Amino acid sequence: QVHLVESGGGLVKPGGSLRLSCGASGIAFGDKYMGWIRQAPGKGLEWVSFIDGTQTIIYYTDSVKGRFTISRDNAKNSLFLQMSNLRIEDTAIYYCARAPRGFGDSWGLGTLVTVSS
Amino acid sequence: DIQMTQSPSTLSASVGDRVAVTCRASQDISRWLAWYQQKPGKAPKLLIYDASILQSGVPSRFSGSGSGTEFTLTINSLQPDDFATYYCQQYNSYPYTFGQGTKLEIK
Repeated sequence: QVHLVESGGGLVKPGGSLRLSCGASGIAFGDKYMGWIRQAPGKGLEWVSFIDGTQTIIYYTDSVKGRFTISRDNAKNSLFLQMSNLRIEDTAIYYCARAPRGFGDSWGLGTLVTVSS
Repeated sequence: DIQMTQSPSTLSASVGDRVAVTCRASQDISRWLAWYQQKPGKAPKLLIYDASILQSGVPSRFSGSGSGTEFTLTINSLQPDDFATYYCQQYNSYPYTFGQGTKLEIK
C-alpha cells in the first residue's frame, strides 16, 4: 500500500519561501516519477512539477519556473519542493503524487500553502 | 498548451442512473488520458488511465472510452459513494493539463 505524506505548508508573506516535503512508504521510490500537483481554493488541479528517479528529467509549469525547485532523496524516500518568491496566486493545497507515466496513481493528503500579507 | 474541456460542468443524477462525462482535447492526445474522482476535502483518486484501463481496486461500474480528441467516462448504476467531482487529465505532452471538472450531484 503506497503511503504519501506531505508537510511544510503554512502561511507566508508574498516574496517569502517555503520548503514542502513528501515522505513515501510502501513503494520502490527510487525508480518512480514523482510530482507536485496543486489546487487553489475552490478551483481545479494543476501539475506544478515532476521529477524522474535519477533527477535527470524535471518539469515545471511556466508560472513557477525560476521560483520553485523540485528535488528528491531516494535514500530517504523523500520528495521536496523548494518554493521561493511566493505570490498570492501560489495559494493552494499542494499534493505529492506518484506519477509513473504522467498521471498520479497515488496521492498524499495534501498540505496547504497560504500566501498573504 | 493542450486545453481540456469537460462537459457538463454539473450533472444531476439519481442512485441507479447511468451517467456519462465528456472530455475534449484541443488536439490529438492519442489515448493518453486519465480520469480522477475527488470528494470534498480529499485528494483526487485515479480511476482510469490510458483512456480505458481501470485502475486496480476501482469498481467495474466505471469505464472509459475514446481516443484522439474525444473521451468519455461512464458510470453505470450510480452508487451514493459516486457523488463527487470528476477530472480528466492529458499526459500526451507538456504541460500536462486537467479539465475544469464535472460535479456529479444527487438529483
